[in-house]
Amino acid sequence: QVQLVQSGAEVKKPGASVKVSCKASGDTFTPYTIHWVRQAPGQRLEWLGWINGDNGQTRYSQKFQGRVSITKDTSANTVYMELRRLISQDTAVYYCATSGWVFHYFENWGQGTLVSVSS
Amino acid sequence: DIVMTQSPDSLAVSLGERATINCKASQNVLYSSNNKNYISWYQKKPGQPPKLLIYWASTRESGVPDRFSGSGSGTDFTLTITSLQPEDVAIYFCQHYYTTPPTFGQGTKVEIK
Repeated sequence: QVQLVQSGAEVKKPGASVKVSCKASGDTFTPYTIHWVRQAPGQRLEWLGWINGDNGQTRYSQKFQGRVSITKDTSANTVYMELRRLISQDTAVYYCATSGWVFHYFENWGQGTLVSVSS
Repeated sequence: DIVMTQSPDSLAVSLGERATINCKASQNVLYSSNNKNYISWYQKKPGQPPKLLIYWASTRESGVPDRFSGSGSGTDFTLTITSLQPEDVAIYFCQHYYTTPPTFGQGTKVEIK
């Protein structure tokens, strides 16, 4: 079973960008779709987008379209999520998670990365 | 987007008793071609990521104790914890994966009475 390890906490100013990494061990990303999900304080979990671990196809939530990019470095077995033009409401814990290619329930999760946005 | 609404927001149950959590989808999530409900359930404890408990509305993930069960079809779903244990204190979320975007319920906090 794949284990996911995310990069550490980030503090950013409004308008900046953040890039969070998610490294797989125990398996490659190839058999999986890798998603990014966040949870802001007091809010429900919110899906940002996914990348196919095999062909690199991506799909994003309309809410974040144009602000989020998910990429992968196959040689590093790492997936990245970049969120641009940060606002205070982007303060949240960001998780990567895996699913199968077709059915998107989330089987494995990273430990989470706290992104704080404050002036 | 499909809206997932859970009830109650919180509940307190005595050790060894049953906890029942409901989840309602704003539209049908039963796919007729395979007769599967595109619903999953997760457990979340403070400082930990969510843990998958149930998928296809009623299929228990490997390693999940059999006191956890899921049921329902169409728009109405239930997660039941029979014989609540101390380690079950957590927040529980439902999620649909019928369409994009997948969305989550607001969570139900389960405590010991």
